[in-house]
Amino acid sequence: KQEVTQIPAALSVPEGENLVLNCSFTDSAIYNLQWFRQDPGKGLTSLLLIQSSQREQTSGRLNASLDKSSGRSTLYIAASQPGDSATYLCAAGGGATNKLIFGTGTLLAVQP
Amino acid sequence: NAGVTQTPKFRILKIGQSMTLQCTQDMNHNYMYWYRQDPGMGLKLIYYSVGAGITDKGEVPNGYNVSRSTTEDFPLRLELAAPSQTSVYFCASSFDRGLGNEQFFGPGTRLTVL
Repeated sequence: KQEVTQIPAALSVPEGENLVLNCSFTDSAIYNLQWFRQDPGKGLTSLLLIQSSQREQTSGRLNASLDKSSGRSTLYIAASQPGDSATYLCAAGGGATNKLIFGTGTLLAVQP
Repeated sequence: NAGVTQTPKFRILKIGQSMTLQCTQDMNHNYMYWYRQDPGMGLKLIYYSVGAGITDKGEVPNGYNVSRSTTEDFPLRLELAAPSQTSVYFCASSFDRGLGNEQFFGPGTRLTVL
């Protein structure tokens, strides 16, 4: 059974710092790994999707990597801004129906 | 495109009442999903559908029912509401399964059962 873990559960950094969020999964037979952002009381916004055949994806200041053999993905945020403050969720997709198994998220606070 | 829309945004139910959470997508996606998110937790899959007329259970299906009569709509039914069903419910859709498939989420329905 797939289990997804995110560390740390919460992170506070000063504005401008580069940071890394971690995601680990127990079953390497995934189709993809998806990173989401969730603002308080809001829905999920898809940030990046990495296919199982890929090693990384980039969008602006965000870079996500995937290492299937070690069961890990990281989300790198460059030059963090207060507007980046949110909960970041990772989810592993797999199986015949692309069901997503979610981690419990990392709550990020970027201090001005 | 409106994407994935959900109604209502908020609802308070009394124990034992029933309700239907509506979900509609206009992206012609085959796959649709219902998740629930409890405070401080990740999302858990309730039910999913791979096309009109086909539904199946996810991790936490007890107390819920679904139907998929059209490609666009995937309503979630609560028959006898219980306090344990207090949660935020998210609907999602994707075009297909496979390596590059991406799920798109609705804004959620916040349900409280008292």
